[in-house]
Amino acid sequence: SQTIHQWPATLVQPVGSPLSLECTVEGTSNPNLYWYRQAAGRGLQLLFYSVGIGQISSEVPQNLSASRPQDRQFILSSKKLLLSDSGFYLCAWSVFGYNEQFFGPGTRLTVL
Amino acid sequence: KQEVTQIPAALSVPEGENLVLNCSFTDSAIYNLQWFRQDPGKGLTSLLLIQSSQREQTSGRLNASLDKSSGRSTLYIAASQPGDSATYLCSGAGSYQLTFGKGTKLSVIP
Repeated sequence: SQTIHQWPATLVQPVGSPLSLECTVEGTSNPNLYWYRQAAGRGLQLLFYSVGIGQISSEVPQNLSASRPQDRQFILSSKKLLLSDSGFYLCAWSVFGYNEQFFGPGTRLTVL
Repeated sequence: KQEVTQIPAALSVPEGENLVLNCSFTDSAIYNLQWFRQDPGKGLTSLLLIQSSQREQTSGRLNASLDKSSGRSTLYIAASQPGDSATYLCSGAGSYQLTFGKGTKLSVIP
């Protein structure tokens, strides 16, 4: 069966510090991968999606970036965090060409 | 641009009641509609997926319907239990992305 992992589970970072969140999927190959952010009082917002290694599409311009160095690994990064980057970050996957999405446990990021 | 609205934002019911959660979307050209459950501080658990060609899906005490022409979906929960307490999210799928509503927070009172 397929499993999706995210780490760390929680993170507290100062403004201006870098960020790296990791997501890995087990039990499937060539998945579509997604990063979402859920901010307090707002719905889930798609940040990035990837249909293959090195292929990243950005949905929202911001100081975040994403990379997919391996088939089942998706990384969300920032060089300098802002207060507004605080939120709950969720990684998801779907079978390539099919849109039922499955979510990971999330990372709670607090920027102080 | 797809917009998804969920009403009500919060709902409190006594245990054992049947209930309906509503979801509306503005663009009927969706690939599918997916219902999720989210417990506090946790990720999303997929409950039901309705393909654009389908009218409804059932899983246990849950039944979801889809009416593309009116831009509406409902999630029916039969014989509610305290363990059903959570936030329920619906999402409309475009080619790659899901557009989410803000959710309905359900509390089932023992």
